[in-house]
Amino acid sequence: GAVVSQHPSWVICKSGTSVKIECRSLDFQATTMFWYRQFPKQSLMLMATSNEGSKATYEQGVEKDKFLINHASLTLSTLTVTSAHPEDSSFYICSAVDRGGPGYTFGSGTRLTVV
Amino acid sequence: GESVGLHLPTLSVQEGDNSIINCAYSNSASDYFIWYKQESGKGPQFIIDIRSNMDKRQGQRVTVLLNKTVKHLSLQIAATQPGDSAVYFCAETPYSGGGADGLTFGKGTHLIIQP
Repeated sequence: GAVVSQHPSWVICKSGTSVKIECRSLDFQATTMFWYRQFPKQSLMLMATSNEGSKATYEQGVEKDKFLINHASLTLSTLTVTSAHPEDSSFYICSAVDRGGPGYTFGSGTRLTVV
Repeated sequence: GESVGLHLPTLSVQEGDNSIINCAYSNSASDYFIWYKQESGKGPQFIIDIRSNMDKRQGQRVTVLLNKTVKHLSLQIAATQPGDSAVYFCAETPYSGGGADGLTFGKGTHLIIQP
């Protein structure tokens, strides 16, 4: 079945620094990937839609200059949290669409802690 | 705004019993619905899906029911096992020919299986 790999699984960074999270589709090509954020004991909230070869589409209230998304190939999307602050600490999860499978496959998530 | 919500945040059932998790949605444009299972610190895992042209779909030990009249979705898990303990989310999206839209998630229900 479709597999989405997300790296790193956890990261701790200092306030003011930037962190890059990678999302890879391992056995299928994904023209569209999605990035979600999940705070403790809450649901997943869609942050942005990552489109291969074009600009990402951000949900209302999500700062595009803070959460940089790059989808340079059909198997890789990256999310960079720039100038991270403690309030950015969260669980970030990516999802890719496998048009030949059940549709939306999720990565294992990245726990970001900003200190 | 429109959202997908749940009636119960926590559900505790005895091992071997059946469980029913409910979900209400408000977006009349919703066309595709998915149930996910999420274990602590992991990404969502696909359980079962259903399109709006159906009202019931069965999988292994799971059944999803869709009532479009009252915009209600439910997940039935038969003969629950300890491994079923997790948070369950419903998610929806307007059908757009194959996953061009992100998912809107419900608030989640924490299913606890009592031994």
